[in-house]
Amino acid sequence: KNEVEQSPQNLTAQEGEFITINCSYSVGISALHWLQQHPGGGIVSLFMLSSGKKKHGRLIATINIQEKHSSLHITASHPRDSAVYICAAPWGATNKLIFGTGTLLAVQP
Amino acid sequence: SAVISQKPSRDICQRGTSLTIQCQVDSQVTMMFWYRQQPGQSLTLIATANQGSEATYESGFVIDKFPISRPNLTFSTLTVSNMSPEDSSIYLCSAQQGYEQYFGPGTRLTVT
Repeated sequence: KNEVEQSPQNLTAQEGEFITINCSYSVGISALHWLQQHPGGGIVSLFMLSSGKKKHGRLIATINIQEKHSSLHITASHPRDSAVYICAAPWGATNKLIFGTGTLLAVQP
Repeated sequence: SAVISQKPSRDICQRGTSLTIQCQVDSQVTMMFWYRQQPGQSLTLIATANQGSEATYESGFVIDKFPISRPNLTFSTLTVSNMSPEDSSIYLCSAQQGYEQYFGPGTRLTVT
């Protein structure tokens, strides 16, 4: 069983839809990362959060440390949001990241 | 924040050869990491690049295959040695400052 699990694995949405991607983890962590990977392979860090909620533009991330669950929301989705979204938890003495399997999002015009 | 650049961005290499990937950070960072992402898979940590000492490798990765250098706090290299088609992957460099993690744009390697 993967220590960081995401759902759904694949998501297709129409432009303008509200999108939610979920992440559950079994390891004890103090923070969680949401990452975005475009087809070229480069990764951008979207959020690092340890409690509550963070918002950046149309992106919102929430985390519940007690329930070991986080969600990434995209409001008014756009085709340029199409990417793989990955949650990752730093773990252990070196804070090395444990990655979820990723959610492939396709937003259709 | 930290900005990371990687060179090359992509390469096509022949079986049996070696490729060295460079990772440059625009500020000093404590931890640097090298990841591999095989087609259709999630990222897998290869090793932690330690400044001034040998890298710390994860299970399944060895120094002879993936030698790593980290001569200072802003630069690291990963060499993929004696390549085979199974080494075709995206290789990513990452740097950590506090709890923040920053990623390079990746190097897409194809081995023929």
